[in-house]
Amino acid sequence: AQKVTQAQTEISVVEKEDVTLDCVYETRDTTYYLFWYKQPPSGELVFLIRRNSFDEQNEISGRYSWNFQKSTSSFNFTITASQVVDSAVYFCALSEGGANSKLTFGKGITLSVRP
Amino acid sequence: DTGVSQDPRHKITKRGQNVTFRCDPISEHNRLYWYRQTLGQGPEFLTYFQNEAQLEKSRLLSDRFSAERPKGSFSTLEIQRTEQGDSAMYLCASSLVLDNNEQFFGPGTRLTVL
Repeated sequence: AQKVTQAQTEISVVEKEDVTLDCVYETRDTTYYLFWYKQPPSGELVFLIRRNSFDEQNEISGRYSWNFQKSTSSFNFTITASQVVDSAVYFCALSEGGANSKLTFGKGITLSVRP
Repeated sequence: DTGVSQDPRHKITKRGQNVTFRCDPISEHNRLYWYRQTLGQGPEFLTYFQNEAQLEKSRLLSDRFSAERPKGSFSTLEIQRTEQGDSAMYLCASSLVLDNNEQFFGPGTRLTVL
């Protein structure tokens, strides 16, 4: 059965600090997709990134970067120079088979960025 | 607005009443999903449709829950004889089964059962 573990529950940083959100997943499939979503206080889930199991290249998008390591079943997310607007709950999710399959989410990490 | 919309955004009901929620997916998205999110937890999968066909249902979806997507466009989720444990945010998402596109989520319907 697929499972996503986000061991960190709450993280608090001061603005401009770097912060890494951890995600560990379990799956028996060889083809799967990993996602990060952001849920700001307004409540709507916002898609951030998708990664498939065959692509272990790290990705950088502005202040965001993602490190995917199959050897440790991890897909970690780093925010560089955090800003107050980054305050939100961040979810890691997994889908087996295709990206259009059902998502299994972790419990989420609440990130608070203080000015 | 071309995003996923849900109606109502909030619903307060008394235990034992029936409630129905509606989801309008992004136009031309052929997959539609329902998830439930309780406080402090990640969303949990309930069911999904491809066009009008319901392809999978979670064991979380008890007999009191039913979902439909009659014309392959909007979907409804009905909960009969609501219980306090049904209080949660009900999220709808849609995707296009093409090139493994991601799911886009609506704002959710927050249900409170008194």
